[in-house]
Amino acid sequence: DIVMTQTPLSLSVTPGQPASISCKSSQSLLHSDGKTYLYWYLQKPGQPPQLLIYEVSNRFSGVPDRFSGSGSGTDFTLKISRVEAEDVGVYYCMQSIQPSFGQGTKVEIK
Amino acid sequence: EVQLVESGGGLVQPGGSLRLSCSASGFTFSSYAMHWVRQAPGKGLEYVSAISSNGGSTYYADSVKGRFTISRDNSKNTLYLQMSSLRAEDTAVYYCAGGGPGGWGQGTLVTVSS
Repeated sequence: DIVMTQTPLSLSVTPGQPASISCKSSQSLLHSDGKTYLYWYLQKPGQPPQLLIYEVSNRFSGVPDRFSGSGSGTDFTLKISRVEAEDVGVYYCMQSIQPSFGQGTKVEIK
Repeated sequence: EVQLVESGGGLVQPGGSLRLSCSASGFTFSSYAMHWVRQAPGKGLEYVSAISSNGGSTYYADSVKGRFTISRDNSKNTLYLQMSSLRAEDTAVYYCAGGGPGGWGQGTLVTVSS
């Protein structure tokens, strides 16, 4: 099984400041087709998860450009350039090679 | 726009069975793999099961293997999850996902309790 490990598990950020979440996988997520199947989701309270980033670094439709994803192989990062109040919730990384999620990172506003 | 609507959740006794359904619209259902993901109260997301676009290939998490069966009816644009031998630890909101990685339903709550 591929284990996804997120750090930190919680984050308190001042509005306008940057934030970064790390996600490490126990095996490479590089598929034989050349794609890396790593996704980032945000789950706001009382809502289903919403896709932010697909295949490591591609922003999903409608996602603000303050969100960016990077990484390769087993190490990935989600960055928020300037956190806004609406960004609170739990962020999950997910891989679809042998599907699994990270534990989640709870982001709150200071 | 991808729309996924789950139904069939409810209260069931340990050892019982339940069938969840997910009605899909807004995309060509028969062209996409579909998935079930669950979230126990106050916990994180757990991937449960997946099925290929034509239903020929399935995947199950170890925690549900042998107890849950995923299926689909492409003529009805509907995904199913047959759950049997249910346990307290299966209590969760069950989400249907698919039509691309951005498609998620609102979820249906399954509670396993006597």
